[in-house]
Amino acid sequence: DTAVSQTPKYLVTQMGNDKSIKCEQNLGHDTMYWYKQDSKKFLKIMFSYNNKELIINETVPNRFSPKSPDKAHLNLHINSLELGDSAVYFCASSQAGGGAGNEQFFGPGTRLTVL
Amino acid sequence: GEDVEQSLFLSVREGDSSVINCTYTDSSSTYLYWYKQEPGAGLQLLTYIFSNMDMKQDQRLTVLLNKKDKHLSLRIADTQTGDSAIYFCALEGAQKLVFGQGTRLTINP
Repeated sequence: DTAVSQTPKYLVTQMGNDKSIKCEQNLGHDTMYWYKQDSKKFLKIMFSYNNKELIINETVPNRFSPKSPDKAHLNLHINSLELGDSAVYFCASSQAGGGAGNEQFFGPGTRLTVL
Repeated sequence: GEDVEQSLFLSVREGDSSVINCTYTDSSSTYLYWYKQEPGAGLQLLTYIFSNMDMKQDQRLTVLLNKKDKHLSLRIADTQTGDSAIYFCALEGAQKLVFGQGTRLTINP
């Protein structure tokens, strides 16, 4: 059983399109995250949600809109895709808000390529 | 905010020890972490150390923490080809983890 799953694994699309990436965790965790990893492998947090409530929004353009229908799901919708959005996007989850020695579990990543 | 720095590359011979270093600016993190990322995969927690410890050993892994110098290191003994990966140190910020840039470990036969 996959603990944190993401779909799709690969996404190739044209500039200007709108796309969504889905994430689900079956660990019963309260907190979920979206990270962006650029071509140099630098990992940067974008958003975190705790029990469907937005906790962190790290100066991400408002073309990116996370949605958490329930605490097991955190989806990422991106409007008007730009070349600079090309990256690998990772979803992660943890039991608490990351402040008590709780491990973050990462999904396999979604490689987004904008042409 | 927290700044976490790592060297980008490390190359070692199979069987040697690897030492991956990490420096940071904010010392308020209660736990400090090492994550491993294998090609095409997400990050996996490798080990972590509580901030009031100087050292933690777990089989081939040794974590050293020097709080005075704000320096964290990960030593992998008897490095194997399966250890090839990118290693990230991470510290706790405000309700989030702050990651270093990652160190790509390459094993030479």
